[in-house]
Amino acid sequence: QKEVEQDPGPLSVPEGAIVSLNCTYSNSAFQYFMWYRQYSRKGPELLMYTYSSGNKEDGRFTAQVDKSSKYISLFIRDSQPSDSATYLCAMSVVGSGYSTLTFGKGTMLLVSP
Amino acid sequence: GAGVSQSPSNKVTEKGKDVELRCDPISGHTALYWYRQSLGQGLEFLIYFQGNSAPDKSGLPSDRFSAERTGGSVSTLTIQRTQQEDSAVYLCASSLIPESGNTIYFGEGSWLTVV
Repeated sequence: QKEVEQDPGPLSVPEGAIVSLNCTYSNSAFQYFMWYRQYSRKGPELLMYTYSSGNKEDGRFTAQVDKSSKYISLFIRDSQPSDSATYLCAMSVVGSGYSTLTFGKGTMLLVSP
Repeated sequence: GAGVSQSPSNKVTEKGKDVELRCDPISGHTALYWYRQSLGQGLEFLIYFQGNSAPDKSGLPSDRFSAERTGGSVSTLTIQRTQQEDSAVYLCASSLIPESGNTIYFGEGSWLTVV
């Protein structure tokens, strides 16, 4: 079993839809959870950052962490064509001394006008 | 510079040749990371630098891969005797301090194709 599992998609939605992206993980030591957005032929860009469990909201984006289920989610409200990208979840442990991230493979999102 | 800068952005090389990929991190960032992203795969950790030393090089896939960092700034990833399976995007990232959970910023990547 891989440490981080993420459905590769593609996930196709119409403009304005609510999008739900998810990752599951197996390492209970993960405490930091991140979502990166990666446009085609670009580097990953940090979208959301969460420590431990709970929700975090930033504009149209909401990140949720459920440590008991080892499950994290990213919700995008009122999705736009410009949201079309690959979304990567990433996580790291506390106390490792440095931020080596473990990534999911990414979910490709396509938002059609 | 304002962000992490990588060069070359694209590189096509013949199998068996050596390649060097360069990374210029965000000014003042002490931690530098190299990741590799292959088609259909997630990002794979290669090596971490704190200053000029590499406390963790556990992700380097073989002894054909090496990296160095000089002056606590620029880093070079070298791949010797390239193989077709080395074709991937090589991403450099940096963070201000190497603490767990500290925000990591990525460059645009060096797209390597071995023919």
